Amino acid sequence: DMKVTQMPRYLIKRMGENVLLECGQDMSHETMYWYRQDPGLGLQLIYISYDVDSNSEGDIPKGYRVSRKKREHFSLILDSAKTNQTSVYFCASSLNYSGNTLYFGEGSRLIVV
Amino acid sequence: GEKVEQHESTLSVREGDSAVINCTYTDTASSYFPWYKQEAGKSLHFVIDIRSNVDRKQSQRLIVLLDKKAKRFSLHITATQPEDSAIYFCAASNNYAQGLTFGLGTRVSVFP
Repeated sequence: DMKVTQMPRYLIKRMGENVLLECGQDMSHETMYWYRQDPGLGLQLIYISYDVDSNSEGDIPKGYRVSRKKREHFSLILDSAKTNQTSVYFCASSLNYSGNTLYFGEGSRLIVV
Repeated sequence: GEKVEQHESTLSVREGDSAVINCTYTDTASSYFPWYKQEAGKSLHFVIDIRSNVDRKQSQRLIVLLDKKAKRFSLHITATQPEDSAIYFCAASNNYAQGLTFGLGTRVSVFP
């Protein structure tokens, strides 16, 4: 089954706490992405990963880092969360980076208070 | 970098009529233009795409047009049905290695 799974789906954190968002895919896709979605701003690319340990900054990487140690798993880490990182985070994967369909996870809603 | 403008933020159409969403992009090097649908409270899923080697593509009730000269592409939803109500995002890619750049979305509402 072609699926992208995100955990947790909902998270409330205090400012300054660390946040770990996890994403898994069962399609052996090479490329994985983290986007955030905010009202009025659409989807913004945070990081892209071309394969294991091959990651590249997207448009808004500040305040985030990522880890990809296995092809099927891609993590987004917020060290010392800020209130402006309150958002819905979407993970996606694609066969490779060359103009292929993105498959999105269900999203992780993060609230930083 | 690439910028994608989605011209309609909301669209209200009568069931059975057509809905048209227009997008423009800035980078002449862009060559891949997909569309995604997001239903209320859910994630995005792919609906149709077009590449720069063609100017029209159809999949059932969805038609995508591409005008490279004007750097414009559009999604036509024909014979709309209630289940077409959703937010539609256009996107463009000028360098596949940098992922997709999305428009801000168009909320389509289909009323009886």
